[in-house]
Formats: sequence, C-alpha cells, structure tokens
Amino acid sequence: QVQLQESGPGLVKPSETLYLTCAVSGSSITSDYYWGWIRQPPGKGLEWIGTVYHAGTTYYNPSLKNRVTISVDASKKKFSLNLRSTTAADTAVYYCARETGTNLLTRVIDQWGQGTLVTVSS
Amino acid sequence: SFELTQPPSVSVSPGQTARITCSGQALPNQFASWYQQKPGQAPVLVIYKDSERPSGIPERFSGSSSGTTVTFTIRGVQAEDEADYYCQSADSTGTMVFGGGTKLTVL
Repeated sequence: QVQLQESGPGLVKPSETLYLTCAVSGSSITSDYYWGWIRQPPGKGLEWIGTVYHAGTTYYNPSLKNRVTISVDASKKKFSLNLRSTTAADTAVYYCARETGTNLLTRVIDQWGQGTLVTVSS
Repeated sequence: SFELTQPPSVSVSPGQTARITCSGQALPNQFASWYQQKPGQAPVLVIYKDSERPSGIPERFSGSSSGTTVTFTIRGVQAEDEADYYCQSADSTGTMVFGGGTKLTVL
C-alpha cells in the first residue's frame, strides 16, 4: 500500500530554515499525482502549505509563498519542503500528502503521512 | 484566495443524524471534500467531489451541495464518529483551502 514518511529535524531555531523530506513508497511519484505539504499548529486546524506536480510545477499558499519552496526528486522518490525565516508561529505538525484529481479543481488528498512535529524555538 | 467557514462544534446523540456545514462564496464553482481527523492521527478522506464516497468509507457518511454551502451528513451516528471534520476545496489557480474544522461530539 501507499506510504508517505516525513523526516527532518524536530527543532529549528527562529530565523533558520525548516527542511523536511517525504519518502514515497507503494506509489509512482511520476504518475498523475500531486505531492503536497499541510501543517497543523498544536490544537488548531489544517493549513495547506503548497503542492508540487511531478513535472515540477508548484502551487503555494499565498500567505507563505515568499518563504516556501517545494521540490520533487523523482529518482529518489522523495519530495521536500523548505520554509525560510521561521518564527514560533511555524511550530506545527507537518504532514506530507498525495493529492489526486483529474485537474486542479478536483484535487483531494487521498494519502497522508503520519505527520512530524516541528518546534521553532531557541 | 477564498475562505471556507465551518461551525466550531456540533453535538449529537448516538443514532441521530449529524450535519456539518461549510460555507464559501467560491463553492458554487468548486468541488468540496471532507476529512475526518481523530486525536493524534492524520486526517482521512471521507467525501470528495461534494458527494462521492471513497471505498471503505461507511454508507452512513454522505455529502451534498447547494449554492454557497456544502453539507456533510452522518446518519445513525456512532461513538466512533466523534472526531474533527474539515472541509476542503481547490481553485483553478492551484490554491487549496481548508475550513476551520468542526468538532463533532457524540453525547
């Protein structure tokens, strides 16, 4: 079955860059899927961060786009999140996810990673 | 971008029907999906394209759409349905938005 596994530091210092990767197994990363990142601050709701299509096209949350880069490495079956200039407000559980849909309007998240808590603190 | 609004909480007795709404001006032109999230777990897709149910999701879960509001319904609520529920939609520019979430309490 499809598995997504996040990895990366659990603690990041303020102003530094948060970097996470997601390893994909049980699914082709070059088929017609999108690959995304979603986060959830402790006790709060879900926030979409951004999405990458396997061909490299990216879509970002307008509120984060100046600080975010998402990329895919098809040869390693991984995709990554780079969030710059972090503050305490970026503390959250970060989920990687597979999105499916025939076009941008029909995208839904059909597979989620287990999530990883990243704390931004000195 | 656009916004989706959900009630913070809904309470229902076992065996009754729970309805959770999600409102947004963009919804007449976009599809909505629903996710169930239990404490400490990743969300699970329970409804997509307003009313389609993924395989393995109980038939008591359903969705509907009318104008600027989509509704998620659970008929014959069970204790195991207690969870947070999120609506989600995406637009033609690629932006994806989640509603604020609704905590369903089974009394």
